[in-house]
Amino acid sequence: GESVGLHLPTLSVQEGDNSIINCAYSNSASDYFIWYKQESGKGPQFIIDIRSNMDKRQGQRVTVLLNKTVKHLSLQIAATQPGDSAVYFCADQFYFGTGTSLTVIP
Amino acid sequence: SQTIHQWPATLVQPVGSPLSLECTVEGTSNPNLYWYRQAAGRGLQLLFYSVGIGQISSEVPQNLSASRPQDRQFILSSKKLLLSDSGFYLCAWSRPMYQETQYFGPGTRLLVL
Repeated sequence: GESVGLHLPTLSVQEGDNSIINCAYSNSASDYFIWYKQESGKGPQFIIDIRSNMDKRQGQRVTVLLNKTVKHLSLQIAATQPGDSAVYFCADQFYFGTGTSLTVIP
Repeated sequence: SQTIHQWPATLVQPVGSPLSLECTVEGTSNPNLYWYRQAAGRGLQLLFYSVGIGQISSEVPQNLSASRPQDRQFILSSKKLLLSDSGFYLCAWSRPMYQETQYFGPGTRLLVL
């Protein structure tokens, strides 16, 4: 069942600022997490993943941090752009949180 | 490269009518396949997953069923739709290994009236 949840349903940021989207999970045995981006009317798109043997992973303009002690992960988007506006989900393998809707203000 | 197709894109069906949604994957062999449902403004709920032809696992009790008649074909069905079956249905595939990311199709928006 559902074992992940996002902290805030909505987030607004100014273009060019950094965005941080948070997610908590409850299952201590969870060992693989994925962040997805979903634009309106489309299927989720893979952004970045992290395994439990890591605490940080970086991609292009995105960084995921994993804190296993408090069962928390975050997605950081650097220099947020209007095209980043979407709903962001964290997933514990197959189980998705409720999503954070990110709005980028030009 | 791999691609995933779903159809139809949108569907309006009366309560009590049957349902068949199809998903096909190209460019990969023996994928794991998944059906999700997303209610408006909500996260994705895993309905079914399959690790091979004829192998279906159900995550939640429901009015729906799934079948995998071919390696890269996954079908979601219902004999009699309920109002509560309305939603956005997403098919996804992943490589047949542990801890693999899923790649989603474009989805089917179903409205049951």
